[in-house]
Amino acid sequence: AQSVTQLDSQVPVFEEAPVELRCNYSSSVSVYLFWYVQYPNQGLQLLLKYLSGSTLVESINGFEAEFNKSQTSFHLRKPSVHISDTAEYFCAVSDYTGFQKLVFGTGTRLLVSP
Amino acid sequence: KAGVTQTPRYLIKTRGQQVTLSCSPISGHRSVSWYQQTPGQGLQFLFEYFSETQRNKGNFPGRFSGRQFSNSRSEMNVSTLELGDSALYLCASSLAQGAQETQYFGPGTRLLVL
Repeated sequence: AQSVTQLDSQVPVFEEAPVELRCNYSSSVSVYLFWYVQYPNQGLQLLLKYLSGSTLVESINGFEAEFNKSQTSFHLRKPSVHISDTAEYFCAVSDYTGFQKLVFGTGTRLLVSP
Repeated sequence: KAGVTQTPRYLIKTRGQQVTLSCSPISGHRSVSWYQQTPGQGLQFLFEYFSETQRNKGNFPGRFSGRQFSNSRSEMNVSTLELGDSALYLCASSLAQGAQETQYFGPGTRLLVL
């Protein structure tokens, strides 16, 4: 079985500051890794995912995440945040069995203020 | 291309009743998964369907059931509702089966059980 830990329930940050949202996972098998974002009263949207290859993955809106196998981490970073980045961010894993079951972390609420 | 649609968006039921939620995947998508989101338990996997077959089921009681039709639309049913079933129910679709596939989420159905 897999588990995902997002230690920070809330991260306040000022606009244009850098941010890192932490994600650690536990699994006895290889996993795929995902970051989803949820805006108020909306469903989840995929930000980025790691399947294989380069351990650094990027999204179209400036976020990036790095897969670190030795530390079992997949932290999400952005060098300069905007007010519009205010949302809840979920880290998730799925294992290599072929099933589409996502195991999610508890989420981190990113609060960007002017 | 239209996204994942879920109906109804909001629902109020009383304990003991049953409820049916509907999900229409993105056109061409054949895999549908369901998740329950609550403040206490977070996001939890309910089940996954592909080509009208349930491929995987989460750790929920038998009161939770689902099905998928030949046009890939899916329904989930909850019988004998309990207060703890109050949640946001999210449906996600993907083009094919496989843990690496991106799941596209709908806006959810918010169920309140009184």
